Amino acid sequence: RKEVEQDPGPFNVPEGATVAFNCTYSNSASQSFFWYRQDCRKEPKLLMSVYSSGNEDGRFTAQLNRASQYISLLIRDSKLSDSATYLCVVRSGGSYIPTFGRGTSLIVHP
Amino acid sequence: NAGVTQTPKFRILKIGQSMTLQCTQDMNHNYMYWYRQDPGMGLKLIYYSVGAGITDKGEVPNGYNVSRSTTEDFPLRLELAAPSQTSVYFCASTQLGGQETQYFGPGTRLLVL
Repeated sequence: RKEVEQDPGPFNVPEGATVAFNCTYSNSASQSFFWYRQDCRKEPKLLMSVYSSGNEDGRFTAQLNRASQYISLLIRDSKLSDSATYLCVVRSGGSYIPTFGRGTSLIVHP
Repeated sequence: NAGVTQTPKFRILKIGQSMTLQCTQDMNHNYMYWYRQDPGMGLKLIYYSVGAGITDKGEVPNGYNVSRSTTEDFPLRLELAAPSQTSVYFCASTQLGGQETQYFGPGTRLLVL
């Protein structure tokens, strides 16, 4: 089983739709969780950290479920500009190395 | 702050040639990483460093070498380039214990022919 797994998609949604991605992780000692966004042919950039209590940033909501070992990202009112690949990142306690998922591709169409 | 800078942006190498990919960060981060990303694939860790003078192998270190003589610089050396090393290379840095944001450079696109 891979350490961090994501559905590669693509998720093809119309503008204004709500879309959700999940990411599962295998190491129960994981303690830091993030969503990164990567545009085509660009470097990844932090979208948001994921806290135990969940967090929201505008149209984006991230949740952590430790019992089932997954994190989620919800995007409301999708915009064309949200089209990108969303990378799930997990770091275990005591490790210097974040583990990246392969990413989920989102395509928002008019 | 410039953040993480990488040079060159793009390079074509012939099989067997060598080159150094440069990476510099101005955020005083202790942790630095080199990743490669093949088309449609995720990031694979090549090497990482937890501070000046300390480096360690990642998932795919074969064919590469690194050094970390200063906090700011973390060059990646390719010896005897092979077509399998055609990829996009990203350098990143972070400071664990705080927000832990990994800051990435813009990448170096390498083509080995």
